Amino acid sequence: KAGVTQTPRYLIKTRGQQVTLSCSPISGHRSVSWYQQTPGQGLQFLFEYFSETQRNKGNFPGRFSGRQFSNSRSEMNVSTLELGDSALYLCASSLDGGREEKLFFGSGTQLSVL
Amino acid sequence: AQSVAQPEDQVNVAEGNPLTVKCTYSVSGNPYLFWYVQYPNRGLQFLLKYITGDNLVKGSYGFEAEFNKSQTSFHLKKPSALVSDSALYFCAVRDRAAGNKLTFGGGTRVLVKP
Repeated sequence: KAGVTQTPRYLIKTRGQQVTLSCSPISGHRSVSWYQQTPGQGLQFLFEYFSETQRNKGNFPGRFSGRQFSNSRSEMNVSTLELGDSALYLCASSLDGGREEKLFFGSGTQLSVL
Repeated sequence: AQSVAQPEDQVNVAEGNPLTVKCTYSVSGNPYLFWYVQYPNRGLQFLLKYITGDNLVKGSYGFEAEFNKSQTSFHLKKPSALVSDSALYFCAVRDRAAGNKLTFGGGTRVLVKP
């Protein structure tokens, strides 16, 4: 079974631009979560999608948005990029997002904002 | 609000010696606790979880963790560390009151020396 796939692996953008990251969950998984990982702030929850609906949201500004498609694939978008948005963005999937479920993580997208 | 603390940024241990990575948590309800490991340039991998039942939980790669409700701790242990255990370890908690989102600790880097 294929794992969680994130594309692209690396991105370099400049301030003010926008970026879209993609995540394909494990086949059959309907819950997709996104996390931002930085050396200073650690792992921070961005949002979770289930059956094309945002079910949970972290404390990030509105510049961060996401969506989920009918095939459970998910995208996240960051508009008006700032230097502080440089981070590893991790996507994780699980069957239904239940409390007891473990998450399966992708290798992440490393975003550098110059 | 739920939170997780990993008091040690780094743990150094000699190969063959016992390894302990500490974790304490704070939740308003019953905690669902997890440990994940991250190798360089990779996403997180699930090690083990505590949902209910026995306080000692066994997981992947010879790791185990002990849930202590009175001390609100969930320390990760391995009786005999390997050089290949060198990685970044994250403790995480899920609580119904927090909408089931997963909150991570800051991470502990483990360095196992030959």
